[in-house]
Amino acid sequence: GAVVSQHPSWVICKSGTSVKIECRSLDFQATTMFWYRQFPKQSLMLMATSNEGSKATYEQGVEKDKFLINHASLTLSTLTVTSAHPEDSSFYICSARAGVVLAGSYEQYFGPGTRLTVT
Amino acid sequence: AQSVAQPEDQVNVAEGNPLTVKCTYSVSGNPYLFWYVQYPNRGLQFLLKYITGDNLVKGSYGFEAEFNKSQTSFHLKKPSALVSDSALYFCAVRDDSSYKLIFGSGTRLLVRP
Repeated sequence: GAVVSQHPSWVICKSGTSVKIECRSLDFQATTMFWYRQFPKQSLMLMATSNEGSKATYEQGVEKDKFLINHASLTLSTLTVTSAHPEDSSFYICSARAGVVLAGSYEQYFGPGTRLTVT
Repeated sequence: AQSVAQPEDQVNVAEGNPLTVKCTYSVSGNPYLFWYVQYPNRGLQFLLKYITGDNLVKGSYGFEAEFNKSQTSFHLKKPSALVSDSALYFCAVRDDSSYKLIFGSGTRLLVRP
């Protein structure tokens, strides 16, 4: 149980285009989803927290107009990188927190990640 | 503010030997501490957590971690390393109000045959 999927697993796009990444909780309802960014050989940096039905909360330094987050349902959150540039190339990971206690705690369950390459 | 530190960028150990990956934390309240493992081009896999209770926490794949309040440490350990344990390990602390996870910088574990 508690599986989180991401789609696509990898994507290559041209500079200036937009790309959407989906994060789904497959077998539980996620009231909160988190989006992280990871540069090569570096740690995960939290980009934003999204709660179902409300606007995402962005971390300091993250451009909300560039990284659009939509948490439209209890099982789906999307991250859209708008007008992508090569510096946006990174590994994007989402996590989902259940709205009820799973396995004894309100844990975060991580997706497998999406590698974005902007050419 | 909550934070964790992983002082070692890389840990090298021979297969069959015990391993330790270090983590120290700084929190303003009760610590909620986690260890995750990441294999290349993959997301994070949960290993273990400390919320309360016994200071020695047992987790997945034979890993365990010892919570030490006086030293503010939460080191990850395994009695006998496997080559397949080679991966990137992250220590994290959870913010009690927002449930955000704050990650350490990561430690690459290399287990040589």
